[in-house]
Amino acid sequence: EVQLVESGGGMVQPGGSLRLSCEASGFTFSSYWMSWVRQAPGKGPEWVASIKQDGNEKYYVDSVKGRFTISRDNAKKTLYLEMNSLRAEDTAVYYCAKKASGYDFPFEYWGQGALVTVSS
Amino acid sequence: SSELTQDPAVSVALGQTVRITCQGDSLRSYYASWYQQKPGQAPVLVIYAKNYRPSGIPDRFSGSSSGNTASLTITGAQAEDEADYYCNSRDRSGNHIREVFGAGTRVTVL
Repeated sequence: EVQLVESGGGMVQPGGSLRLSCEASGFTFSSYWMSWVRQAPGKGPEWVASIKQDGNEKYYVDSVKGRFTISRDNAKKTLYLEMNSLRAEDTAVYYCAKKASGYDFPFEYWGQGALVTVSS
Repeated sequence: SSELTQDPAVSVALGQTVRITCQGDSLRSYYASWYQQKPGQAPVLVIYAKNYRPSGIPDRFSGSSSGNTASLTITGAQAEDEADYYCNSRDRSGNHIREVFGAGTRVTVL
């Protein structure tokens, strides 16, 4: 059974930093693209970032470029999102998602989410 | 702002058929995926690559696509199908890949 468990969420002041982690199990982690998707309160999902199997390709939504960094440790089967210079508009539930292989790589499995609140 | 356009809400009588549409230029090049989200839960993939269903998704869910429009159809809607539905596709600008989501369609089963 595929499981994705996020951790590291919480409340932080504007300008602060947080690191989210996502522990994966039930599949060969090193064989799949992985992503972070966030959802602000009352809004639809917004893709944040994706990383290739070996970590050598990364893509970000424009609004987080230069502030967020996606990374992975295949030995630990863990995905990370380092978030710096946080803004109020980054407040959201952050989901870790496993991408399917092929077929334009849909978000096949999602974690339960980690809430990040940016507020003074 | 979403670059995939969805109707905000639709209602369907129990046991009847409802179609949800999603429009966007990226759909001319990439497959649409559809996700169901119930309150307080993570999204769940229900349709991908036009009309593939993941294991465990009932066959009353189906998908189709033509040009810049993708559709999700629920044939014989059940009470448990009441949820928000989001479409999603890849998009590419030069060497940069991104993902886009629609703003969602709330389906109410009457």
